[in-house]
Amino acid sequence: DADVTQTPRNRITKTGKRIMLECSQTKGHDRMYWYRQDPGLGLRLIYYSFDVKDINKGEISDGYSVSRQAQAKFSLSLESAIPNQTALYFCATSGGQGLRETQYFGPGTRLLVL
Amino acid sequence: AQSVTQLGSHVSVSEGALVLLRCNYSSSVPPYLFWYVQYPNQGLQLLLKYTTGATLVKGINGFEAEFKKSETSFHLTKPSAHMSDAAEYFCAVTRSGGYQKVTFGTGTKLQVIP
Repeated sequence: DADVTQTPRNRITKTGKRIMLECSQTKGHDRMYWYRQDPGLGLRLIYYSFDVKDINKGEISDGYSVSRQAQAKFSLSLESAIPNQTALYFCATSGGQGLRETQYFGPGTRLLVL
Repeated sequence: AQSVTQLGSHVSVSEGALVLLRCNYSSSVPPYLFWYVQYPNQGLQLLLKYTTGATLVKGINGFEAEFKKSETSFHLTKPSAHMSDAAEYFCAVTRSGGYQKVTFGTGTKLQVIP
């Protein structure tokens, strides 16, 4: 079984709709992240969380919100989706101490906003 | 500020030929450098990372990269390309061990020609 799972894997929605992307992990890591990937732009950080009570904005948080329901679950919401939020979204976790810390990515959610 | 530049958004090599993917970084302090691979419909997977110490870093699947401070480069190489190496590769940099501070490059798609 995958260590980091994302649901749904694909989603089509309309402008103005609220949607939620979910992420679960079985690695026991405290740190979790949400990224978006756009062609030619690499990955950009949306939000990150170091534990259930510690949530921080990343580079591009406008238009997004998150919820850390438990150590294993980190959800990303688009309150009112717009077409330029069409992208590939990745959840990730990281664990380990110091230089041994390593990041693990989920398989991604492909979102299309019409 | 930190940044990475990946030279060439698409690279094609013949099966069995040398793979060379170029990455140059900009960082005001000693960087930590990463290479990730993304196979179709999958999340990113860490290939290798440089933190401190030996400048030639060996990773998974026969890849290696050399940190050259004088050239601000961290190019990824593999002596002999295999069809299974076809994927997108991302270089990334951070100034500390925290993944929330990682800056990703725009990616290089590697095509392997039979």
